[in-house]
Amino acid sequence: AQTVTQSQPEMSVQEAETVTLSCTYDTSESDYYLFWYKQPPSRQMILVIRQEAYKQQNATENRFSVNFQKAAKSFSLKISDSQLGDAAMYFCAYRRGNAGNMLTFGGGTRLMVKP
Amino acid sequence: SAVISQKPSRDICQRGTSLTIQCQVDSQVTMMFWYRQQPGQSLTLIATANQGSEATYESGFVIDKFPISRPNLTFSTLTVSNMSPEDSSIYLCSVKRGGPETQYFGPGTRLLVL
Repeated sequence: AQTVTQSQPEMSVQEAETVTLSCTYDTSESDYYLFWYKQPPSRQMILVIRQEAYKQQNATENRFSVNFQKAAKSFSLKISDSQLGDAAMYFCAYRRGNAGNMLTFGGGTRLMVKP
Repeated sequence: SAVISQKPSRDICQRGTSLTIQCQVDSQVTMMFWYRQQPGQSLTLIATANQGSEATYESGFVIDKFPISRPNLTFSTLTVSNMSPEDSSIYLCSVKRGGPETQYFGPGTRLLVL
């Protein structure tokens, strides 16, 4: 079975600085997708970024980028120029490719942004 | 993306009662998913709801406890039956859309069972 591990229960960053959230996963599949979701206090789950396993290029969405290391099964999220609105729970998630439906989530990392 | 609404947004219920949560999507989707997020925890998939067939439940979840309906391609309901305080959670509806197929989530229903 697939597992997703986020080893940092809490992280803090100064506003305008950069922070990296860690995620590792375990799978025997070669085709899969990885996601980072943000859950602010409103509890709405918001997709931040996604990565297809077959792509070597790291995904980037504005201030958010990932470092995808397939051999190491690592998928970290970098947030640049942190803003107060970035404060939230961040969940890393895995989904098997093709017919895969179920998202397997990590335990989450609470990010605090200091003004 | 997808616009997903859920009703109710929150509720406080008594032990032994049942609550039905509704999920409405802005356009047709083949599969809808129901997740549970217990307090301070991550999300766990309860079941996948396909239109015109029985829902598929994940290990640890049963139809008698969490009956699901999927009457059309834009709507689904999840019922939490015979509730106990352990059912206090956020219940989230999700759909898969886009390329690569990405899952989007509704705002969630926060349930407190006394």
